[in-house]
Amino acid sequence: RKEVEQDPGPFNVPEGATVAFNCTYSNSASQSFFWYRQDCRKEPKLLMSVYSSGNEDGRFTAQLNRASQYISLLIRDSKLSDSATYLCVVNPAGGTSYGKLTFGQGTILTVHP
Amino acid sequence: NAGVTQTPKFRVLKTGQSMTLLCAQDMNHEYMYWYRQDPGMGLRLIHYSVGEGTTAKGEVPDGYNVSRLKKQNFLLGLESAAPSQTSVYFCASSSPGLAGTRYNEQFFGPGTRLTVL
Repeated sequence: RKEVEQDPGPFNVPEGATVAFNCTYSNSASQSFFWYRQDCRKEPKLLMSVYSSGNEDGRFTAQLNRASQYISLLIRDSKLSDSATYLCVVNPAGGTSYGKLTFGQGTILTVHP
Repeated sequence: NAGVTQTPKFRVLKTGQSMTLLCAQDMNHEYMYWYRQDPGMGLRLIHYSVGEGTTAKGEVPDGYNVSRLKKQNFLLGLESAAPSQTSVYFCASSSPGLAGTRYNEQFFGPGTRLTVL
């Protein structure tokens, strides 16, 4: 089983749609969780951290379910500029891991007019 | 600030040739990382460093060596390139994070596209 698993998609949605991505992780001791965004042929960039209570940043909402070892990202009112690959990322051991991250393979999103 | 820079951006090697990829960061970060990204595989950690003069193996270290002689630079070496090392290589850096927090963002360079023939 992969440490971090995502549905690779691709997801093709019209502008204005709501889309949700899911991710599962295998290490129950994982402490920190993130969503990164990667544009085509570019480097990954942090989109948002994921907190236990869930958190929202504009049109983006991230949720964490530790019991099910499940992370989600919801994008509302999709824009053309949201087209990218979304990476689910986990810090597997918190403060002892020297910031090492484990990446999912990414979910491709295409938003069309 | 330039952030994280990588040199070169593109390179084509023949099997058996050697090369060094250079990563530089100007954010005074303690931690630095080298990843490779292959289609369908996600990013995989090759080696990392938690400070000047220290390095450690990641998930896929075979065929690579690294050095961190200066805090701001992290070098990745391929001594004898193989076609299986054709990939996009990303360098990243981060700080240990503030006391009481666990959220240390990694900042990535633009990547090096390497092809080994």
